[in-house]
Amino acid sequence: DTGVSQDPRHKITKRGQNVTFRCDPISEHNRLYWYRQTLGQGPEFLTYFQNEAQLEKSRLLSDRFSAERPKGSFSTLEIQRTEQGDSAMYLCASSQGGPQHFGDGTRLSIL
Amino acid sequence: GESVGLHLPTLSVQEGDNSIINCAYSNSASDYFIWYKQESGKGPQFIIDIRSNMDKRQGQRVTVLLNKTVKHLSLQIAATQPGDSAVYFCAEIANTDKLIFGTGTRLQVFP
Repeated sequence: DTGVSQDPRHKITKRGQNVTFRCDPISEHNRLYWYRQTLGQGPEFLTYFQNEAQLEKSRLLSDRFSAERPKGSFSTLEIQRTEQGDSAMYLCASSQGGPQHFGDGTRLSIL
Repeated sequence: GESVGLHLPTLSVQEGDNSIINCAYSNSASDYFIWYKQESGKGPQFIIDIRSNMDKRQGQRVTVLLNKTVKHLSLQIAATQPGDSAVYFCAEIANTDKLIFGTGTRLQVFP
């Protein structure tokens, strides 16, 4: 499978803990995006990278959120001091300037 | 702010009939539109895209129509099959590289 890969698929954690998600994009894609999706809603943009440069961040991305793409390949999204409202599906997508292709997401549940 | 919305939250069709899913957008500067299909527990799957210099584009069993005058987008699925049952999102891009999604339409296909 050469699509976008996300790990883990599910994460359950206690409020206040830190979590980190990983995304491996389609190999030839230089753009990588993070979105968040809650039940019944469309995905909401969080941030995106072109190669290793983070070019845009949404106002949704509070100080507790940080994303990296150190070598321009895989990316990580970290949430510090998780809150109940962070419960959502975190989706990663990649593109080479055309349509964005999504992974199957990481579902985060905060206890 | 600008948003992408959908007229109908749920559409029920009989297997073999044609389906039409509608979408309204508000940003006249949007120049690229994409339809995604999302099945339960999975990420959005690219179906078809269209740029603002076109008014129609066809794929396999799917057609996207764009009416820039009234800011309306539609997805037509021919000979709808049970495997087409999913939530469908339209999304737009304007000026930046981030997708703006609506809340989705659920398509239910009955035998």
